[in-house]
Amino acid sequence: GAVVSQHPSRVICKSGTSVKIECRSLDFQATTMFWYRQFPKKSLMLMATSNEGSKATYEQGVEKDKFLINHASLTLSTLTVTSAHPEDSSFYICSASPGGGNQPQHFGDGTRLSIL
Amino acid sequence: GENVEQHPSTLSVQEGDSAVIKCTYSDSASNYFPWYKQELGKGPQLIIDIRSNVGEKKDQRIAVTLNKTAKHFSLHITETQPEDSAVYFCAASRGSARQLTFGSGTQLTVLP
Repeated sequence: GAVVSQHPSRVICKSGTSVKIECRSLDFQATTMFWYRQFPKKSLMLMATSNEGSKATYEQGVEKDKFLINHASLTLSTLTVTSAHPEDSSFYICSASPGGGNQPQHFGDGTRLSIL
Repeated sequence: GENVEQHPSTLSVQEGDSAVIKCTYSDSASNYFPWYKQELGKGPQLIIDIRSNVGEKKDQRIAVTLNKTAKHFSLHITETQPEDSAVYFCAASRGSARQLTFGSGTQLTVLP
């Protein structure tokens, strides 16, 4: 089945650090990937849509300069949290669909980001 | 935009009993409705999905029903087992490869 891998699974770093999270589709190509944020005991909120070879589309209220997205290949999208602060601490999850218009989305196992 | 409401937020059942989780959606153009199971510290895992041209779909102990007219869909789990305990999310979108709008989640606890 389709597998989406996220790395790292957990990051703990100091305030002001920039953190990069990778999302890879392991056995399929994905022209589009999605990045979600999830707070404890809450639902998944879409942050942005990552498009291979073009700019990401951000949801209202999400700072594009804060959350940099790069989708340089058909199997990799990265989310960089720039100058992270404690309020950026959260669970970040990506998803991708094998495409073809009829395939479900598969999610990575998430990245737990803790900013001290 | 789409708005998905999910009920109940918590559900406790005895092992062997059935569990039902309900969702409503607002966008009449939504045509794809997946259900995900999320265990602690993990990403959501697809358990079943349904498209708007189908009213019901079943996969072993799991079934989903869709009422397009009323804009609601439900997840049914029969013969529940302790390993079914998790958070369940419904979602809606205008296509399986399109962005998903999630419900608020249901914490299901199956008591042994």
